Amino acid sequence: DAGVTQSPTHLIKTRGQHVTLRCSPISGHKSVSWYQQVLGQGPQFIFQYYEKEERGRGNFPDRFSARQFPNYSSELNVNALLLGDSALYLCASSLAGAGGEKLFFGSGTQLSVL
Amino acid sequence: KQEVTQIPAALSVPEGENLVLNCSFTDSAIYNLQWFRQDPGKGLTSLLLIQSSQREQTSGRLNASLDKSSGRSTLYIAASQPGDSATYLCAVKGGSEKLVFGKGTKLTVNP
Repeated sequence: DAGVTQSPTHLIKTRGQHVTLRCSPISGHKSVSWYQQVLGQGPQFIFQYYEKEERGRGNFPDRFSARQFPNYSSELNVNALLLGDSALYLCASSLAGAGGEKLFFGSGTQLSVL
Repeated sequence: KQEVTQIPAALSVPEGENLVLNCSFTDSAIYNLQWFRQDPGKGLTSLLLIQSSQREQTSGRLNASLDKSSGRSTLYIAASQPGDSATYLCAVKGGSEKLVFGKGTKLTVNP
C-alpha cells in the first residue's frame, strides 16, 4: 500500500511568487495535516483538514491557505513568498484525525525561496 | 501552551553503546506521544506511539517510556549501530489534535 505522497519533492521560487504543494493521504485516511519544518527546528503545525473542512489552524499568516478535495487529497498554497518561507513542508494523514490516532508523514516538499 | 523540550540536542556515541534520549512536555493533558526518526532532508518515520494510558512501548532495539504525570518520556536504544545515526523527534498530541514537536536530538553513532 502506498504511503502519504507529496509533490513536488523540491521547489525553487523567488520572493513574491505563489506556490502550491500537493499531498495524497494513505488510502482510507480522511484527515490531512500540514506542517512546516525550518532547518534545525521541529515541525510546526499549519493546518488540519477533515472531510474537506478546516479543523485546525496554527499560528501562520493569511498568506497560507489550504483545501481538501472530495478524494481527501489536499493542497497547501502560499502567496507572496518570503525568504523565511524556505522550509521542508510535511503532510500527514490519519483515519479521522481523532485524539489517539497515529499520524503518518510523507517525505515532504523542500521549498527554497530566493 | 504545550512546549516540548528534548535533551541533549546532539549526542555522539561509539557503536554498540546503549543510549537514552529524553523528552519533556509542559502540559500533561495529552492523547499520545510519538517518537520519530528523521534522516537529513527527509520526512518523518514513526518509531513508537505511546497512548496516554500506556507506560511504554517496544519495537526491536527501541523502547519508549511515558510518565504523563511528570511530563517525561525517554527513548532507549540498545546496542546502537551506525545506521541509527539520524535526528530523533518527540511529539505530543493534545486536545487540539495537532502534534507539538521538540527540536530533536541529533544522534551520531561512530563505527
